Amino acid sequence: VLTQSPGFQSVTPKEKVTITCRASQSVGSSLHWYQQKPGQPPKFLVKFASQPISGVPSRFSGSGSGTDFTLTINGLEAEDVATYYCHQSSILPQTFGGGTKLELK
Amino acid sequence: QVQLQQSGPGLVRPSETLSLTCSVSGDSISFYYWSWIRQTPEKGLEWIGYIHNNESRFFNPSLKSRVTFSVDTTKNQFSLKLRSVTAADTAVYYCARHGVAAGLRTWFDPWGQGTLVAVSS
Repeated sequence: VLTQSPGFQSVTPKEKVTITCRASQSVGSSLHWYQQKPGQPPKFLVKFASQPISGVPSRFSGSGSGTDFTLTINGLEAEDVATYYCHQSSILPQTFGGGTKLELK
Repeated sequence: QVQLQQSGPGLVRPSETLSLTCSVSGDSISFYYWSWIRQTPEKGLEWIGYIHNNESRFFNPSLKSRVTFSVDTTKNQFSLKLRSVTAADTAVYYCARHGVAAGLRTWFDPWGQGTLVAVSS
């Protein structure tokens, strides 16, 4: 089970946003992050906990291993308002966190 | 650039079978693992399972008794069938590729566009 927090956050542009994902058992570094906007499929942001993805803005970064992971948005931009999900691929069945929804204040 | 295009009905009657197809362009379906994922407001994102080359499959235990996957390499597409559907199966269904060739335990990218399937009489 992946537990994300917070479930909802009101944010302002340029703010530093931190989203956490806690696994009920170790998933090593097999934890990935996605961004989803309404009416769209999830978009892949970070792989294996902290590896950046080509084309993803550098303000998005991930960290962590084992059971505790973090997605950080350094200097939020208005276009980053979305719902963010973590996903573990270590243990079958693969699972997703419940999501963190960001909204502008 | 790999693209996934989903097709299938948006309305299924209770107790019938939900059928969706994901057509792959830009790469061979044989090299990768392919998954189905569904999303509801109540349960969020739920992984249904994967298929690889008609040789390897895994189904989420929550759906295992009702799910079938298949791959058609001649058409470069793969399919999902979910039997005996109920209103609880109403969801947006996505197909997705696992991120690395021959890699099961990786991220999902890209995703299909999503298909909203409503189960209703």
